[in-house]
Amino acid sequence: DQQVKQNSPSLSVQEGRISILNCDYTNSMFDYFLWYKKYPAEGPTFLISISSIKDKNEDGRFTVFLNKSAKHLSLHIVPSQPGDSAVYFCAASVKPGNTPLVFGKGTRLSVIA
Amino acid sequence: GAGVSQSPSNKVTEKGKDVELRCDPISGHTALYWYRQSLGQGLEFLIYFQGNSAPDKSGLPSDRFSAERTGGSVSTLTIQRTQQEDSAVYLCASSSGPGSYGYTFGSGTRLTVV
Repeated sequence: DQQVKQNSPSLSVQEGRISILNCDYTNSMFDYFLWYKKYPAEGPTFLISISSIKDKNEDGRFTVFLNKSAKHLSLHIVPSQPGDSAVYFCAASVKPGNTPLVFGKGTRLSVIA
Repeated sequence: GAGVSQSPSNKVTEKGKDVELRCDPISGHTALYWYRQSLGQGLEFLIYFQGNSAPDKSGLPSDRFSAERTGGSVSTLTIQRTQQEDSAVYLCASSSGPGSYGYTFGSGTRLTVV
């Protein structure tokens, strides 16, 4: 049973446009969410996070939106750059606690120059 | 070290053989995690170590899988009698402790069972 779902395996966007990556979750106990970015042959790297007490968190070109009632979050990248081409993983956890992060299957973003 | 180090980076093994994968976490990080990513799948949690507490083994897929962490630092993931479905990238991550979600991942070990 997948608790974190990324229903789009891939996304292609033109350079300079907005990239929107979506993530849905089923566990209502989740209240901390993260996005990780992964290049080939490298481990995932942390990108941005959001706590359930917020509905938006922004860091430069990256913004994460959280809709708790819909159990949905999204990552917006604007403007998209070729270097953003990677696999993006959504992750979630229950807080507080020692529970490990639960990851989605990832979305492969391709930014075309 | 500066980051999480995993070895080997690639491993090809014959079905039925045992393999050991190693993870060197960031110095001082008390939490260590093992995940694996099979083809077309997300990151699947395997096992979690936190300090001297008993590890959370709830993600291990079978009793052929085991892991230990010696001295609160280096961890070894052992897969006995490997099967083709064990082929995946095995990722190790560490963090500074419970409640910290700033996982730092290693580059992974790509295991291929032939």
